[in-house]
Amino acid sequence: GAVVSQHPSRVICKSGTSVKIECRSLDFQATTMFWYRQFPKQSLMLMATSNEGSKATYEQGVEKDKFLINHASLTLSTLTVTSAHPEDSSFYICSARVLLNTEAFFGQGTRLTVV
Amino acid sequence: GIQVEQSPPDLILQEGANSTLRCNFSDSVNNLQWFHQNPWGQLINLFYIPSGTKQNGRLSATTVATERYSLLYISSSQTTDSGVYFCAVETDSGNTPLVFGKGTRLSVIA
Repeated sequence: GAVVSQHPSRVICKSGTSVKIECRSLDFQATTMFWYRQFPKQSLMLMATSNEGSKATYEQGVEKDKFLINHASLTLSTLTVTSAHPEDSSFYICSARVLLNTEAFFGQGTRLTVV
Repeated sequence: GIQVEQSPPDLILQEGANSTLRCNFSDSVNNLQWFHQNPWGQLINLFYIPSGTKQNGRLSATTVATERYSLLYISSSQTTDSGVYFCAVETDSGNTPLVFGKGTRLSVIA
């Protein structure tokens, strides 16, 4: 299957700092990527849809100024958590498809801990 | 929006036992996938199965789209099968996000 690579896999940061998470499609181009968040023992919740060359679409309740998404190329989307607080601690995971109407593949995920 | 319900929420099996996990969805879907989330959080693609039946080793899945449910069968379970199994659906065609159920947490004990 297709490979979606996410980096870093784990990060610890201090409150008030910003953290950038990268999501790359390694062997295909992805005009659209999706960012999810997962709290412990819960399901994955969609945060936003990242569109190459245009603004991201955020789900209701997700602060676009806190979670900055940039999709500058067909193989890279980044999620920046700005002014992080302990409540932002979570597992963040990205997803992409090779072609329309095909299966989605997920990155390895990033476990963010804000202290 | 669409509702995705998985059952049972938790399941404990003796190694070697068989099990069936169920996924019900409230509206027609264009895509349905089953995933296994390992202890490190990685989502492993098990099946892409908007309809019909597929088998891969000890795992098989069936989706009856007209009746809005899918089943995941695990036979001769092993301790490495432990983890959370998610069903996720896509309601529109094209490239739209998956909506996840709450998952079934499986523990296989030796």
